Amino acid sequence: DADVTQTPRNRITKTGKRIMLECSQTKGHDRMYWYRQDPGLGLRLIYYSFDVKDINKGEISDGYSVSRQAQAKFSLSLESAIPNQTALYFCATSASTGSNQPQHFGDGTRLSIL
Amino acid sequence: SQKIEQNSEALNIQEGKTATLTCNYTNYSPAYLQWYRQDPGRGPVFLLLIRENEKEKRKERLKVTFDTTLKQSLFHITASQPADSATYLCVRGGGSGNTGKLIFGQGTTLQVKP
Repeated sequence: DADVTQTPRNRITKTGKRIMLECSQTKGHDRMYWYRQDPGLGLRLIYYSFDVKDINKGEISDGYSVSRQAQAKFSLSLESAIPNQTALYFCATSASTGSNQPQHFGDGTRLSIL
Repeated sequence: SQKIEQNSEALNIQEGKTATLTCNYTNYSPAYLQWYRQDPGRGPVFLLLIRENEKEKRKERLKVTFDTTLKQSLFHITASQPADSATYLCVRGGGSGNTGKLIFGQGTTLQVKP
């Protein structure tokens, strides 16, 4: 089984709909992250959480919200989806010891907003 | 602002040759750089980390260098194989302190032909 699991893997929806992407992990890591990836661009950080009571905005948080329901679960919501939020979304985790820990990624959610 | 720049053009090489990918960064040298591999439809997978005070790091057929004068890291794959075909991402730490935030390059796609 995958250490970082994202659901759904693919989603097509319409403008204005509310969407939730879910991420769960079995690595026991405290830190979790949400990124989006667009063609020709690097991964960009949306939100991150260093523990259950900690939520921080990344560089592109507008239009998104998150919830850290437990150490193992971190969900991303689009309250009212718009077409330019069409992208590949990744969840990642890392250990909390030191600033140079590698990140462990799920396989992504491909989101299309019509 | 801190940036990571990778050659967006795909690199095509023959099996058995050494592949060399370039990563340039701006502003101050990061404390470390990480390299990830990403296959189509999959999340990035961590390969190697090199610290600012390390000139070179090796892992099996992989070698990474860190030149703070040139503000550049080189990623080498020796005796390349078709299975090495993927996109390779160069990543730097994104901030001061123990934040765990990363800044990703857009990646360079490597194609190894048999």
